[in-house]
Amino acid sequence: NAGVTQTPKFQVLKTGQSMTLQCAQDMNHEYMSWYRQDPGMGLRLIHYSVGAGITDQGEVPNGYNVSRSTTEDFPLRLLSAAPSQTSVYFCASRTDRLSEKLFFGSGTQLSVL
Amino acid sequence: GESVGLHLPTLSVQEGDNSIINCAYSNSASDYFIWYKQESGKGPQFIIDIRSNMDKRQGQRVTVLLNKTVKHLSLQIAATQPGDSAVYFCAENIAGGSYIPTFGRGTSLIVHP
Repeated sequence: NAGVTQTPKFQVLKTGQSMTLQCAQDMNHEYMSWYRQDPGMGLRLIHYSVGAGITDQGEVPNGYNVSRSTTEDFPLRLLSAAPSQTSVYFCASRTDRLSEKLFFGSGTQLSVL
Repeated sequence: GESVGLHLPTLSVQEGDNSIINCAYSNSASDYFIWYKQESGKGPQFIIDIRSNMDKRQGQRVTVLLNKTVKHLSLQIAATQPGDSAVYFCAENIAGGSYIPTFGRGTSLIVHP
């Protein structure tokens, strides 16, 4: 049971480049979410999904897109990377809407030059 | 707006001492609180939770105390070990909301051998 798997672990982009951060979970969790973590800022929610085919915006959604075609996968797309998107990104999942305990992946450290 | 916050950004203790990490919240509608531990280079990991109908909950070497009168939450770690060195986050969920937790900024616990 791998839990929540994120790839890549590290990534360096140039301003304007696009890329997709991958997140997969094998726990059959309905709820998945993406957070970014910046020094001194804690975890801020980017986008979340309560099930396949359903996504919604979190606190800081601008510059990011998501889709949820399957229960297992929840990729995060950066359309045109900006230095302000330099951060550590975490994917998290939980059983369902009423289960509040989150399971986190190990994170992707992204640098945008 | 209302947010979860922490009193101290860094806490240094000696191995074997008891540690107390504090968290203040301002939203009186919050009814569920969670503590997460984040070790360096890893994602946050669930430690313990408590609902607003409780004042205290104990786990293995950890105790969470909730004071609803002053909107204060604390995490007590007994006989702190070097492996407890990490950043600790509190998170709150709001009753009747979307069950999306709001995270505090985190407290770094440093345990000296």
